[in-house]
Amino acid sequence: DAKTTQPTSMDCAEGRAANLPCNHSTISGNEYVYWYRQIHSQGPQYIIHGLKNNETNEMASLIITEDRKSSTLILPHATLRDTAVYYCIVLSGNTPLVFGKGTRLSVIA
Amino acid sequence: GAGVSQSPRYKVAKRGQDVALRCDPISGHVSLFWYQQALGQGPEFLTYFQNEAQLDKSGLPSDRFFAERPEGSVSTLKIQRTQQEDSAVYLCASSARDRTEAFFGQGTRLTVV
Repeated sequence: DAKTTQPTSMDCAEGRAANLPCNHSTISGNEYVYWYRQIHSQGPQYIIHGLKNNETNEMASLIITEDRKSSTLILPHATLRDTAVYYCIVLSGNTPLVFGKGTRLSVIA
Repeated sequence: GAGVSQSPRYKVAKRGQDVALRCDPISGHVSLFWYQQALGQGPEFLTYFQNEAQLDKSGLPSDRFFAERPEGSVSTLKIQRTQQEDSAVYLCASSARDRTEAFFGQGTRLTVV
């Protein structure tokens, strides 16, 4: 069972920041927060992950609250190619990724 | 190629037929995962290998599903006596080690008619 809760869908205007929330209130101390996305007809793609500190890479930023019960994925300047389903996943050790339903992000021109 | 390769991309099987789906992971990747994705749903875990050892097969839906990775590289997912409910996209992923990013293939779309 997925350990995360995400909104079903969100819209974002092209060029604006997309902020995707995720609740993981039962996260334990050794569990990481991972984000993947799946563009239509493709396999999921890794975006970013973190434990407790905020993280940034060339794709996105990940903001994790101090109590680690929630996080936000930020796409700073969304483009039409960012339209996808975004999955927030809590993971520890060598356990496989468990995908929930994710958030369907639609970037609108 | 540099990515995870799956073949065939599309497979149509008649009900009752056996099928074999192939996954070529990224060279040197230790972990290999199989997922099943029904239309409109997120991927569902099927099974996991570390090298040639199948460490977790708890997600395999029935004993008609069988996976192997005999030399710790290429993996095959076999489905015997296919049924209509087996119609889905089957995704393979590999990763270098624990808690590193997993790279997914484009999947095999299986349609059972």
